Amino acid sequence: EAQVTQNPRYLITVTGKKLTVTCSQNMNHEYMSWYRQDPGLGLRQIYYSMNVEVTDKGDVPEGYKVSRKEKRNFPLILESPSPNQTSLYFCASLPTGTNSPLHFGNGTRLTVT
Amino acid sequence: DAKTTQPPSMDCAEGRAANLPCNHSTISGNEYVYWYRQIHSQGPQYIIHGLKNNETNEMASLIITEDRKSSTLILPHATLRDTAVYYCIVRNTNAGKSTFGDGTTLTVKP
Repeated sequence: EAQVTQNPRYLITVTGKKLTVTCSQNMNHEYMSWYRQDPGLGLRQIYYSMNVEVTDKGDVPEGYKVSRKEKRNFPLILESPSPNQTSLYFCASLPTGTNSPLHFGNGTRLTVT
Repeated sequence: DAKTTQPPSMDCAEGRAANLPCNHSTISGNEYVYWYRQIHSQGPQYIIHGLKNNETNEMASLIITEDRKSSTLILPHATLRDTAVYYCIVRNTNAGKSTFGDGTTLTVKP
């Protein structure tokens, strides 16, 4: 089944403890992206990647890192999480050069205390 | 990418058509209009997209004005399960950034 898989679904951590949220897609998509969603708000883009080894900032990149070493994986790294990064995170992918829509994962709910 | 404007909320009676508007007055010629919906806190689900012609699929219809500055998503016979937040975005095929607005919360009432 074609899908975008995020892990974990839920994560509670403490301020300053490095964490990684994984994202993997099995559709051979070039483009991948991370979003965060806070209560009552839409999705805000954190980082995106047009292809392997190509990443760029979205609208809210501060406090996050990403890497794209292989096509299927696009992990989101929080080197020193802070409470204001408590949020619902979504990963998405699509094939570039087409008008195909974004395929979203099921989300990761992160709480930083 | 062009920005979009949607009403924050709408109600619809069950069984009636739900018409959700979206304004994208700064859309470029190569940008498509996409609609997604999000139920509770699940991942957004793709509904439909179009460039300039009207489109229909098993879920909905998309009407794009001739000047492409606005569009309407039509759910022909809304059910309670269509209660969700609906997002309209515009994007070209090679865009990196993709901006979601705050969407429209559609509540379908019995």
